[in-house]
Amino acid sequence: DAGVIQSPRHEVTEMGQEVTLRCKPISGHNSLFWYRQTMMRGLELLIYFNNNVPIDDSGMPEDRFSAKMPNASFSTLKIQPSEPRDSAVYFCASSFNGNTIYFGEGSWLTVV
Amino acid sequence: TQLLEQSPQFLSIQEGENLTVYCNSSSVFSSLQWYRQEPGEGPVLLVTVVTGGEVKKLKRLTFQFGDARKDSSLHITAAQPGDTGLYLCARLQGAQKLVFGQGTRLTINP
Repeated sequence: DAGVIQSPRHEVTEMGQEVTLRCKPISGHNSLFWYRQTMMRGLELLIYFNNNVPIDDSGMPEDRFSAKMPNASFSTLKIQPSEPRDSAVYFCASSFNGNTIYFGEGSWLTVV
Repeated sequence: TQLLEQSPQFLSIQEGENLTVYCNSSSVFSSLQWYRQEPGEGPVLLVTVVTGGEVKKLKRLTFQFGDARKDSSLHITAAQPGDTGLYLCARLQGAQKLVFGQGTRLTINP
């Protein structure tokens, strides 16, 4: 069975550029999560959706970050404009009705 | 914010040795989860502990939830190189928001 699919796996971009990260949750899951992982701050929840509706976006760092979930099988996390401090691994995860959360393999972002 | 403190942060031991890592907090939790994250991958759930004093075993891994439900430990017997990874504990804040500790980065040397 396909797990959570993220793209791109790796991205290197210049400061000021727009970055879009994509996620396809596990089919049938109704909750989707975006996490960010850095050495300094560990794994932090940015935002999560339930039935395509954003429930908690308190972890979104600032207005440069936005996330959408237009349908049950797709979500994006956008950073515009990107800054070097946004360099991190961004994980998407999904679950069904609050049960086990399954993580994707992550998108490794480097902003130079 | 109810923080989860994990110790040690880093641990490097030889294959065959035993080890214990810890997850502590000043707050009581309804449940606690342990994850393992291998290099280049996302975290994978190992176990959820719910009841104070609960002990769960997963092959050579033994998980314990403290009696007061404020702390948990993970003990690995006869560690193997395949156990190498980042071990994370996490608790639920609200219905679905998982809050993670900083993790213990474990290296098992052949």
